[in-house]
Amino acid sequence: GENVEQHPSTLSVQEGDSAVIKCTYSDSASNYFPWYKQELGKRPQLIIDIRSNVGEKKDQRIAVTLNKTAKHFSLHITETQPEDSAVYFCASGGSYIPTFGRGTSLIVHP
Amino acid sequence: EAGVTQFPSHSVIEKGQTVTLRCDPISGHDNLYWYRRVMGKEIKFLLHFVKESKQDESGMPNNRFLAERTGGTYSTLKVQPAELEDSGVYFCASSRPGLGRNEQFFGPGTRLTVL
Repeated sequence: GENVEQHPSTLSVQEGDSAVIKCTYSDSASNYFPWYKQELGKRPQLIIDIRSNVGEKKDQRIAVTLNKTAKHFSLHITETQPEDSAVYFCASGGSYIPTFGRGTSLIVHP
Repeated sequence: EAGVTQFPSHSVIEKGQTVTLRCDPISGHDNLYWYRRVMGKEIKFLLHFVKESKQDESGMPNNRFLAERTGGTYSTLKVQPAELEDSGVYFCASSRPGLGRNEQFFGPGTRLTVL
């Protein structure tokens, strides 16, 4: 089955810095890559997703890049703010149930 | 639009007892998923319903876990008898048709602690 690796497990940055979270996947048939954010005590929520027909997608301060050849995709958060602190999960999907990564705990220090 | 709801939010039981978790998906979402997350690990897939039918239960750990979705609306996940390793947060999610390609809406989770 699909295997998704996510790094780092913990990321600590100063407010205003950028944060990058990376994921790799194993199934070349995967074509849908969502990112979920889970704030403390809340449910995971979709923040951005990318499909395999594009290499990059941006939404304000967040962006996701996809390299299908290398089978990796990344989440980029610019100008981080304390409210960005949360656990972020990547996932790989398509014609099957999405497989999630282990999550990255992002801490943004004011 | 009401979101996915789960009950209870927390459950603390002793090893050997039975617990039943409930999930109410978003109205009209045929797809319903159960996941479990143990601290520091991935959100692990347990099973998937399309309406009332189990499409994929390959993630269910063993036969102590039983999931149902009678009538294709809400779903229950029963653990009987519970073991220590069953502790974790159980998430339910629902989505529109289009397996794997559409946003999954998660519930708030049920935190299960087995003592």
